[in-house]
Amino acid sequence: SQQGEEDPQALSIQEGENATMNCSYKTSINNLQWYRQNSGRGLVHLILIRSNEREKHSGRLRVTLDTSKKSSSLLITASRAADTASYFCAAGHPSTGANSKLTFGKGITLSVRP
Amino acid sequence: DTAVSQTPKYLVTQMGNDKSIKCEQNLGHDTMYWYKQDSKKFLKIMFSYNNKELIINETVPNRFSPKSPDKAHLNLHINSLELGDSAVYFCASSHPGGGGFIGNTIYFGEGSWLTVV
Repeated sequence: SQQGEEDPQALSIQEGENATMNCSYKTSINNLQWYRQNSGRGLVHLILIRSNEREKHSGRLRVTLDTSKKSSSLLITASRAADTASYFCAAGHPSTGANSKLTFGKGITLSVRP
Repeated sequence: DTAVSQTPKYLVTQMGNDKSIKCEQNLGHDTMYWYKQDSKKFLKIMFSYNNKELIINETVPNRFSPKSPDKAHLNLHINSLELGDSAVYFCASSHPGGGGFIGNTIYFGEGSWLTVV
């Protein structure tokens, strides 16, 4: 079954505004990761938050995790036109070693208007 | 230097044909994956290999057969292609266990666009 489900599915904002994207998951996780996909390209890792963490920052990115609500959010501050891409959350299943895997959601399409 | 490279990038073929997609990574990772992304951008894992050994097989039809000659390569062969196989196929690699507590980053290739007509 699908783990990560993002919302909104599409988001359009003006350059300079903040973009907030949400992700919900269904079962227990060890970590949650966010990836970015530019049109026609592969996914690129952005940030990882572990299940015992509540908030993490990386540059203009801020990710939060609420394990009680099984949800995470990704905030991009001061957005730029170059942030236009699809963003995916990926839930890390609580198993160890090579058997553990990430399950991706459907993605959020972010458009940043110049 | 390309970390995860897959070929071909575009593939158009007729129903019933057999095709292969090749993948190589130069990151020294032990684990490699194949993911399928459909037209709605839903990304689903198909297989994972760790040191040439099949670890995850997500109920993919038998027509899909991965082969890992060594831990740096994971190829995907598809027999008797069907219209529904049209998608983007991503190869990826990581240190073992992308979902474990350590949470290893997965590195993706640029994708192979398969169109079955």
